[in-house]
Amino acid sequence: DTGVSQDPRHKITKRGQNVTFRCDPISEHNRLYWYRQTLGQGPEFLTYFQNEAQLEKSRLLSDRFSAERPKGSFSTLEIQRTEQGDSAMYLCASTRGTEETQYFGPGTRLLVL
Amino acid sequence: DQQVKQNSPSLSVQEGRISILNCDYTNSMFDYFLWYKKYPAEGPTFLISISSIKDKNEDGRFTVFLNKSAKHLSLHIVPSQPGDSAVYFCAASEVGGSQGNLIFGKGTKLSVKP
Repeated sequence: DTGVSQDPRHKITKRGQNVTFRCDPISEHNRLYWYRQTLGQGPEFLTYFQNEAQLEKSRLLSDRFSAERPKGSFSTLEIQRTEQGDSAMYLCASTRGTEETQYFGPGTRLLVL
Repeated sequence: DQQVKQNSPSLSVQEGRISILNCDYTNSMFDYFLWYKKYPAEGPTFLISISSIKDKNEDGRFTVFLNKSAKHLSLHIVPSQPGDSAVYFCAASEVGGSQGNLIFGKGTKLSVKP
């Protein structure tokens, strides 16, 4: 049973560029979450998928952010026109059914210069 | 408005002794609580959880205690080991409420000294 994987692990970009991150959840996990963590804070919820449907979005997810989970398996998170304030660790987590415990991937650390 | 609070940013403990990490919450609708451990540059790793119908859950060296009336939970690690040095996050969710997203505290950095 492989864990949640995320790609890339690190991304450095210039302000104004677009970036895309990928998350592969644990197989058979139908629920997938994206969180963002900044220095000194705990992870903060961004968005949630159940299968391919995006069911909830945080107010943190501005219109520059978009997430997809086209076939209910992997998910992508895109940030358009990046800003320095987008610099953070982006975490993906998955779980299944009615289970409450979420399992996290290693994260993608984004630095916007 | 922080719904989950970890008021101690850091804790230092001697190897072999007990580590006690505390967490308070304000939302009475929370009914499931979790502790995660995080090393630098890695994602959080699940440690232990507790449902609001219980007041204690134990798994090896880790025990979580829940006091619903005080809206307080704690994680006990006995005996503490140097490998336990990490940041510990308390998280809560509302099982029957939203979509199950977790609300995290800011974390407590535990240092276990040999």
